[in-house]
Amino acid sequence: GAGVSQSPRYKVTKRGQDVALRCDPISGHVSLYWYRQALGQGPEFLTYFNYEAQQDKSGLPNDRFSAERPEGSISTLTIQRTEQRDSAMYRCASSLMGGEKLFFGSGTQLSVL
Amino acid sequence: AQTVTQSQPEMSVQEAETVTLSCTYDTSESDYYLFWYKQPPSRQMILVIRQEAYKQQNATENRFSVNFQKAAKSFSLKISDSQLGDAAMYFCAYRSPYTGANSKLTFGKGITLSVRP
Repeated sequence: GAGVSQSPRYKVTKRGQDVALRCDPISGHVSLYWYRQALGQGPEFLTYFNYEAQQDKSGLPNDRFSAERPEGSISTLTIQRTEQRDSAMYRCASSLMGGEKLFFGSGTQLSVL
Repeated sequence: AQTVTQSQPEMSVQEAETVTLSCTYDTSESDYYLFWYKQPPSRQMILVIRQEAYKQQNATENRFSVNFQKAAKSFSLKISDSQLGDAAMYFCAYRSPYTGANSKLTFGKGITLSVRP
């Protein structure tokens, strides 16, 4: 696609429910990143893939968070048993391998009630 | 671990004037990339300008330029001839040049810039 696509754009869920957030990177981009951004704060790194391999998951806050990219293209970030503190903008970005420019998607705004 | 600090939470500038946004960072690496991203009210993340640490020349993109002071680990953004559309949150970010686990972007907390007509 022309840009990084994320869906859904908005997600409202009840506490305790699981959510899955999808990211479709720019075609040909090998590297894919997930970030979380609280209102008024800078993006915080969650995890990163090269192709289908998860290179770094040091930013995932706890074991309720997981991510996968099984075919090296589309990625899914899953949050199990959501809590109110999980409410934030979740952003995906992609780049060429070793590319210094990251291209960001529009994000998924998650609200946990 | 690298850290990025933006100590000014807010700034204001008169339309057509010049404003400078500050950023400092901490790293033990000698080569790296630095970026400024703009986030307007739509919450898109737009790359404004980037700087490679090995280049001594400061990057420039139209009305946007940086003052990169490697020894001081300072990376400020200057916006000339400010326009109403420049009003946004601006984030400074650092990236290692290496692939693998160190290639993530590390962001500062951001600064909110308002432009007075």
